[in-house]
Amino acid sequence: NAGVTQTPKFRVLKTGQSMTLLCAQDMNHEYMYWYRQDPGMGLRLIHYSVGEGTTAKGEVPDGYNVSRLKKQNFLLGLESAAPSQTSVYFCASSEGTYNEQFFGPGTRLTVL
Amino acid sequence: RKEVEQDPGPFNVPEGATVAFNCTYSNSASQSFFWYRQDCRKEPKLLMSVYSSGNEDGRFTAQLNRASQYISLLIRDSKLSDSATYLCVVNDYKLSFGAGTTVTVRA
Repeated sequence: NAGVTQTPKFRVLKTGQSMTLLCAQDMNHEYMYWYRQDPGMGLRLIHYSVGEGTTAKGEVPDGYNVSRLKKQNFLLGLESAAPSQTSVYFCASSEGTYNEQFFGPGTRLTVL
Repeated sequence: RKEVEQDPGPFNVPEGATVAFNCTYSNSASQSFFWYRQDCRKEPKLLMSVYSSGNEDGRFTAQLNRASQYISLLIRDSKLSDSATYLCVVNDYKLSFGAGTTVTVRA
């Protein structure tokens, strides 16, 4: 089992460009999450999904969109990247709300 | 006020030492609590859950104090491999992460 994988691992964007981050899990988990991690701050929830076809906003959703067309995949989109979106992005999945979350290796994004 | 607050450290301890640190949380209705471990430039991984009666996992002991709204982690007989950032996580329908406490174990 690969667990949770993320693509790409690194990316540099210019302000205004768009991109999509892909998260995939092979554990048949219902719940999937996107977080960002910035220095000195805890992980902050961007968006999450409680099942295929569902999405919901987290703590810091502005500037991001998500889609969960297949149970195993959760996509995070940046339509018009801004320098404030420079961060490390982690995807995670879990069986349920109160279960352990399994994280992917992260995507390091720099917006110039 | 942040939902989850941790002393960032760093705690710099020699091998074999005991190190302990706390985390406070603001929501008294929080249901479950965890400690995650994050190595440098890696993803967080679950270290242990924290139960109301306190629990141990080898050299690691976690305690919960609901009255004062804090949880603690104690590491006995520290190893070099314990060097990491420890994230306090509180679950009240979503996970809220602390910013982490950095522990460095020196030879």
